[in-house]
Amino acid sequence: QKEVEQDPGPLSVPEGAIVSLNCTYSNSAFQYFMWYRQYSRKGPELLMYTYSSGNKEDGRFTAQVDKSSKYISLFIRDSQPSDSATYLCADRVESNYQLIWGAGTKLIIKP
Amino acid sequence: DGGITQSPKYLFRKEGQNVTLSCEQNLNHDAMYWYRQDPGQGLRLIYYSQIVNDFQKGDIAEGYSVSREKKESFPLTVTSAQKNPTAFYLCASSSRLAGGVNTGELFFGEGSRLTVL
Repeated sequence: QKEVEQDPGPLSVPEGAIVSLNCTYSNSAFQYFMWYRQYSRKGPELLMYTYSSGNKEDGRFTAQVDKSSKYISLFIRDSQPSDSATYLCADRVESNYQLIWGAGTKLIIKP
Repeated sequence: DGGITQSPKYLFRKEGQNVTLSCEQNLNHDAMYWYRQDPGQGLRLIYYSQIVNDFQKGDIAEGYSVSREKKESFPLTVTSAQKNPTAFYLCASSSRLAGGVNTGELFFGEGSRLTVL
């Protein structure tokens, strides 16, 4: 079993829809949870991070962590074609700054 | 503009040849990393360096070598011993850990795509 798992997609939704991207993890010691966005043929860029459980909102993006079920979500409201990318979740324990990565979910927003 | 520059963007190699991928950063970051990205897999760590003249193996170091002679530079050599070198290679950097909250955010270059013919 991989430590961090994501559905590879692609997930295709119409413009303006609410998007839900999900990630599960197996290591209960993970404390930091990050979402990176990667456009085609580019390097990933940090979108959001959360520490421990709870929600964090930044504009159209909301990251949600449920440590009891080891489940991480990223919600995108009012989705735009420019949101089309691969979304990678990455987790780490507090004492070790190495990130463990999911394989990513490819998202397509149709105009 | 501060950032990470990787070169070349595309590289073709014949079997049995060594190739070196360049990574330069002007973010004044202490830590630098090399990752490999293959379709359907998460990023896998090849090597990382927390400080000049020091580096550690990641999860898939076999067939690769690195050096860290300058803070700004962390080149990766893909040797002929790497059995399946065709991949997308990503270099990243992060600021050294200090007091206070540190997200461990990685800043990535645009990647180098290596194809073995």
